[in-house]
Amino acid sequence: AQRVTQPEKLLSVFKGAPVELKCNYSYSGSPELFWYVQYSRQRLQLLLRHISRESIKGFTADLNKGETSFHLKKPFAQEEDSAIYYCAPPAHGGSQGNLIFGKGTKLSVKP
Amino acid sequence: EAQVTQNPRYLITVTGKKLTVTCSQNMNHEYMSWYRQDPGLGLRQIYYSMNVEVTDKGDVPEGYKVSRKEKRNFPLILESPSPNQTSLYFCASLKTGFGSYNEQFFGPGTRLTVL
Repeated sequence: AQRVTQPEKLLSVFKGAPVELKCNYSYSGSPELFWYVQYSRQRLQLLLRHISRESIKGFTADLNKGETSFHLKKPFAQEEDSAIYYCAPPAHGGSQGNLIFGKGTKLSVKP
Repeated sequence: EAQVTQNPRYLITVTGKKLTVTCSQNMNHEYMSWYRQDPGLGLRQIYYSMNVEVTDKGDVPEGYKVSRKEKRNFPLILESPSPNQTSLYFCASLKTGFGSYNEQFFGPGTRLTVL
């Protein structure tokens, strides 16, 4: 199974502070990773994917193959960023159907 | 509208009473999956299906069954629910294709309480 780990269960920052949510992966093959976000009482939704190299809601994530990491960053956190963030491996045609999500990091942005 | 639907959204039941949570997607996705979400444990995969009539165990399959008779539906069956299956359940689907890396679409969740 393709596995990712998120070392922090909870991260609390003040509004306007930089935020970094950590994700490390430990599998071979092309590490095309995703970040999903779950706002309060809502379903999980895609935030961004590595392959698109885009910035969504001010968030970016860079794949570092040397450190096997895909950390999510935002320079200035907003209160509406408070949510649970999940790092996830890809599922694609082939044998990799067993997906091990990270345990999630709950981000709390204080006013 | 492209979506994944789950029913019921909320369910309170008693130990041992068989139940089924339905999941349906209208995007013609090959891959479907069930997860449970628990505080401190994050999202854990129960079962997944790469296509019709193809299912396999995820990380926490004990106490659950699934079937995939049609492409659009992937029901989750609890033959004899127990209190430790009290959780928030999510169904998800994904379009696969060799070499493609697509996002999973998640359902709204089913909150199950087993007394």
